[in-house]
Amino acid sequence: KNQVEQSPQSLIILEGKNCTLQCNYTVSPFSNLRWYKQDTGRGPVSLTIMTFSENTKSNGRYTATLDADTKQSSLHITASQLSDSASYICVVSGGTDKLIFGTGTRLQVFP
Amino acid sequence: GAVVSQHPSWVICKSGTSVKIECRSLDFQATTMFWYRQFPKQSLMLMATSNEGSKATYEQGVEKDKFLINHASLTLSTLTVTSAHPEDSSFYICSARDITSGWNEQFFGPGTRLTVL
Repeated sequence: KNQVEQSPQSLIILEGKNCTLQCNYTVSPFSNLRWYKQDTGRGPVSLTIMTFSENTKSNGRYTATLDADTKQSSLHITASQLSDSASYICVVSGGTDKLIFGTGTRLQVFP
Repeated sequence: GAVVSQHPSWVICKSGTSVKIECRSLDFQATTMFWYRQFPKQSLMLMATSNEGSKATYEQGVEKDKFLINHASLTLSTLTVTSAHPEDSSFYICSARDITSGWNEQFFGPGTRLTVL
């Protein structure tokens, strides 16, 4: 069964600190893996997209890694800001139109 | 960048009425649009795939007669929730696929919050 699992479910950190979110997937075939940021009451916004041949990709303070062998990905946020408070969703594409969504990690950054 | 808009951003209606939600791709053509619903603290659940000029494909368990989808142009898809009931209250999000993107990437709209009283 195609699944995407994320951990932790929620995370609280202080402003300025770094954090890492995890994503494990069992999706086959695999096309690409995406990380989205979703602010409360808003639609998801793409942060990174990676294929199986890419190990890491950065977008500003966001750095995603992908290990296609172990089917794991991580999203590292550097020097967190209050505006980083949101849900972060790992999404895997199996090559068709359908996306497999993780349940998300809810991040709260406090001053 | 590709922008997808939704209208309205929020709507409150009485039980039994119908509500129409619009999804527009503003700067690209989208032959395929997707409709999702999201309950609090849950992830997005695909409701249906909408192809321009043809009938929508609904996911298992989604009532096609209740959630009417029309994709009449390459930039507009509409979702009509017919005879809405309180259990239909949810956050509805559309996405549009940019076929010119090498990733076949989906761009998401800002969502529509539906509250049925």
